[in-house]
Amino acid sequence: GAVVSQHPSRVICKSGTSVKIECRSLDFQATTMFWYRQFPKQSLMLMATSNEGSKATYEQGVEKDKFLINHASLTLSTLTVTSAHPEDSSFYICSARDVAGSSSGANVLTFGAGSRLTVL
Amino acid sequence: QKEVEQDPGPLSVPEGAIVSLNCTYSNSAFQYFMWYRQYSRKGPELLMYTYSSGNKEDGRFTAQVDKSSKYISLFIRDSQPSDSATYLCAGGIGLTGGGNKLTFGTGTQLKVEL
Repeated sequence: GAVVSQHPSRVICKSGTSVKIECRSLDFQATTMFWYRQFPKQSLMLMATSNEGSKATYEQGVEKDKFLINHASLTLSTLTVTSAHPEDSSFYICSARDVAGSSSGANVLTFGAGSRLTVL
Repeated sequence: QKEVEQDPGPLSVPEGAIVSLNCTYSNSAFQYFMWYRQYSRKGPELLMYTYSSGNKEDGRFTAQVDKSSKYISLFIRDSQPSDSATYLCAGGIGLTGGGNKLTFGTGTQLKVEL
């Protein structure tokens, strides 16, 4: 089945630094990838939709200058948390939809294992 | 009101029990529904997805949708300790519908005890 790899799985950084998280579709091409944020015991909150070859679409309330998304190829999207602060500490998860998709149109997503960011 | 509501639990059951996990939703535009299972510190994995009202069965899992009452359920038969995880329901709108996003519930934490 489809596999999405996310790296790093865990990162600790100092306040004010930037952190890059990679999301790769390993055995399929993904024109669209999604970035979510999840706080403990809370739902997955969609941050942005990453589109290959074009600008990402951000959800309301998500700072695009804070969370830089680049989708340079059909198999790689990156999320960069710029000038990270302790409140950015969270579990970030990406997902991807196979371009072959579902014949019925369902958004069957494959998720990465997530990246836990801790900002000191 | 959240678009997808789900009791966070935790729900604790003995091994072998039938588990019922439920969600309600408010967005009438949802065309399909999904259940994901998420183990601690891992990404969600898809269990099932359904379109229409009714039941869909896959092994020990049965997904049920009642669009008239905006209620979706996941039943797990003969529950096992390995089923212990957080179960997330989600509603989605198809690509042809102009959107391609999933809206998740908060997830229900399930513990199956020996």
